Amino acid sequence: EAQVTQNPRYLITVTGKKLTVTCSQNMNHEYMSWYRQDPGLGLRQIYYSMNVEVTDKGDVPEGYKVSRKEKRNFPLILESPSPNQTSLYFCASSPTPKGGLYGYTFGSGTRLTVV
Amino acid sequence: AQKITQTQPGMFVQEKEAVTLDCTYDTSDQSYGLFWYKQPSSGEMIFLIYQGSYDEQNATEGRYSLNFQKARKSANLVISASQLGDSAMYFCAMSRGGNKLTFGTGTQLKVEL
Repeated sequence: EAQVTQNPRYLITVTGKKLTVTCSQNMNHEYMSWYRQDPGLGLRQIYYSMNVEVTDKGDVPEGYKVSRKEKRNFPLILESPSPNQTSLYFCASSPTPKGGLYGYTFGSGTRLTVV
Repeated sequence: AQKITQTQPGMFVQEKEAVTLDCTYDTSDQSYGLFWYKQPSSGEMIFLIYQGSYDEQNATEGRYSLNFQKARKSANLVISASQLGDSAMYFCAMSRGGNKLTFGTGTQLKVEL
């Protein structure tokens, strides 16, 4: 089944403890990106990647890192999480950056709480 | 600045009726894409429909259609024959610059008997 897999689904952590949210897609998509969703703000793009070893900042990149060493994987790293990073996170992929007729396929989301 | 505006925080519709969810956008790009996503209470993001800026025909997918008015910069979603399962949050989004996706703040739709 074509899908984007995120892990974990739920995570509670403490301020300052480094964490990684994994994202993997099995559709051979070139484009991948991360979003955070907060009430009243919709989804905001954190980082995106056009291909292996090509990443760039979205609209809210502060406090996050990403890497794209393989085409299928695009982990999101929070090196020193803070409570304002408590949010619902989505990973998404697409055959092309513009999405087009097939849109962007989203993972199931990761609900992160930083205390 | 690129922006998506959804002015209806919440909408109610009766089952079997049609409903229009509003979306306006602001961009200086000539080439862009417009999307609608559905987010049920379970949280996943479900792709509904896409409209390219150069597409002359309005996009349709089953009960979903996109009313694209380029001069007005609007891309409203029309859901025909609403069903209880259509109750969800709906997001309008725009791909711009070939690599960024901007979302609106969403419209919560409730379908009533």
